Amino acid sequence: GQQVMQIPQYQHVQEGEDFTTYCNSSTTLSNIQWYKQRPGGHPVFLIQLVKSGEVKKQKRLTFQFGEAKKNSSLHITATQTTDVGTYFCAPSDSGYALNFGKGTSLLVTP
Amino acid sequence: AAGVIQSPRHLIKEKRETATLKCYPIPRHDTVYWYQQGPGQDPQFLISFYEKMQSDKGSIPDRFSAQQFSDYHSELNMSSLELGDSALYFCASSRTGPGQPQHFGDGTRLSIL
Repeated sequence: GQQVMQIPQYQHVQEGEDFTTYCNSSTTLSNIQWYKQRPGGHPVFLIQLVKSGEVKKQKRLTFQFGEAKKNSSLHITATQTTDVGTYFCAPSDSGYALNFGKGTSLLVTP
Repeated sequence: AAGVIQSPRHLIKEKRETATLKCYPIPRHDTVYWYQQGPGQDPQFLISFYEKMQSDKGSIPDRFSAQQFSDYHSELNMSSLELGDSALYFCASSRTGPGQPQHFGDGTRLSIL
């Protein structure tokens, strides 16, 4: 399946700071989904990106899909303690199974 | 809204035993996926079913098998359990088609002693 690399692996921020995680692939992706997993929880779907250069916003979260469809990013503005968790990017194969990246674990301290 | 139901939530087994994990997808979702997540790891795709037929296969060991029944629930059967099988097993369901969001259950935490 399509493999992606996520950086950073961990990020520790103070509440109110911004946060960005990057998802990179060596091949062109047909689509990419983003999921959030709280500690002890299950992955929860956040968004799907399909189009080259696509930008989608959900309140303080901004998702981008690169022009070449080989990278994606998630940016959180003014983090809150409720943003704590691991953020995974996951392209899907033709069979629609998700190939999760290693994830970025975000810790937010008040 | 109805969510994906997995049972049991926790399961403790010994080496070489067998285990069966169950998954009840969201109504009208026709695709079921199984994922394995080791401690501190990302979820790894095991197997999926579309309309009760196996649709895709990932890194599922030969010791594991799965099926989807007429009522769309799915079971993951695991035999000759090994210490390395200790993990969180998630089931997810979705409507079929590219980019459909997958809805995950709470998972079954399997511990092998």
